[in-house]
Amino acid sequence: AQSVSQHNHHVILSEAASLELGCNYSYGGTVNLFWYVQYPGQHLQLLLKYFSGDPLVKGIKGFEAEFIKSKFSFNLRKPSVQWSDTAEYFCAVGQGSGNTGKLIFGQGTTLQVKP
Amino acid sequence: GAVVSQHPSRVICKSGTSVKIECRSLDFQATTMFWYRQFPKQSLMLMATSNEGSKATYEQGVEKDKFLINHASLTLSTLTVTSAHPEDSSFYICSARDVRDYGYTFGSGTRLTVV
Repeated sequence: AQSVSQHNHHVILSEAASLELGCNYSYGGTVNLFWYVQYPGQHLQLLLKYFSGDPLVKGIKGFEAEFIKSKFSFNLRKPSVQWSDTAEYFCAVGQGSGNTGKLIFGQGTTLQVKP
Repeated sequence: GAVVSQHPSRVICKSGTSVKIECRSLDFQATTMFWYRQFPKQSLMLMATSNEGSKATYEQGVEKDKFLINHASLTLSTLTVTSAHPEDSSFYICSARDVRDYGYTFGSGTRLTVV
């Protein structure tokens, strides 16, 4: 069965520290890859997405992610985190092409940034 | 950008009653919408894929007779929780896929409490 795995469940960092959140998926077909953020009490917001082309994707708020096909990975990075980055982060994989591919989420990673 | 409106945002109902949740794509057409359930501190679990003009596709373990999905138009999908019980209390989130760029846009969610 298709699955998305986020290895870091709870990450605590100090401000200005670098961030890398791991995401691996198991699906052999065409995939679209996403990272979403959910701030406390708010709905999901798209950070970035990868469909094709350059495997290094830049998103909003200084986040970027790299798609490594051979490793089935799509890790999220940020060089210097801020207190406002405290939130829940979800990796998601959209399966298949066209507009019917369902989106499967990883377990989520809680990021806590200490001021 | 694409916007998905989900209503109501919060609902409290008595055990045994039914509750309808609406999901509308406001500025784009969505032939496919998705319904998720999110428990506290957990990830989004896909319940079903809603296809305009046809029957919904339910994920394994989701009771189709309990969670009725209707996708009557290109901009509206509804989820009806029938004969609700306290264990159905959860956060329900819809998502619509934009045929223009295959991006997924999420509604703000519905907090259902069954008493």
